[in-house]
Amino acid sequence: DAKTTQPPSMDCAEGRAANLPCNHSTISGNEYVYWYRQIHSQGPQYIIHGLKNNETNEMASLIITEDRKSSTLILPHATLRDTAVYYCIVRVKTNTGNQFYFGTGTSLTVIP
Amino acid sequence: GAGVSQSPSNKVTEKGKDVELRCDPISGHTALYWYRQSLGQGLEFLIYFQGNSAPDKSGLPSDRFSAERTGGSVSTLTIQRTQQEDSAVYLCASSAGGTQYFGPGTRLTVL
Repeated sequence: DAKTTQPPSMDCAEGRAANLPCNHSTISGNEYVYWYRQIHSQGPQYIIHGLKNNETNEMASLIITEDRKSSTLILPHATLRDTAVYYCIVRVKTNTGNQFYFGTGTSLTVIP
Repeated sequence: GAGVSQSPSNKVTEKGKDVELRCDPISGHTALYWYRQSLGQGLEFLIYFQGNSAPDKSGLPSDRFSAERTGGSVSTLTIQRTQQEDSAVYLCASSAGGTQYFGPGTRLTVL
């Protein structure tokens, strides 16, 4: 059970904002939303995470809807190096700790 | 500082042989995860260690797969009697309780 759904692929023009959507309609109140990306042949790289409030860091912004059933990752000025698979993940508290549920991700292609 | 490291980076083996994959987590991280990623696919959870608790083995695909974590640090994933469908990239991640940090993975090819 991935707990998240994402479009399989998206394109974005270089220099434009890339907006990657994610649905997590079954998310519970204490479950965080995480975003990672994976560039070909590398391990996934952490981008950002949030619970309720919108978050921003040097890489991206995360917008979470008020009902928390969906979120959007925003790369404000996409570059060719942002071409990667982007995973939206829900972190679930279990009896033993935290479990991360990865979906199949969105393959983002930044076009020159 | 040092990140998560995995060895070997590549492993080619023959069907039926046993393999061991190693993960060195970030120092001080109490949680360690193993995932498998087949070509063009997402990450498939295998096993999760948290401190001294019993590991969550719910993702292991068969009893040919096992993992240990010695001294709360280094972990070894063992695959016995490898099959061609075991070919994949095996990723390890560690966490201090929140964000996971991934290693570069081990690419396993079973001939």
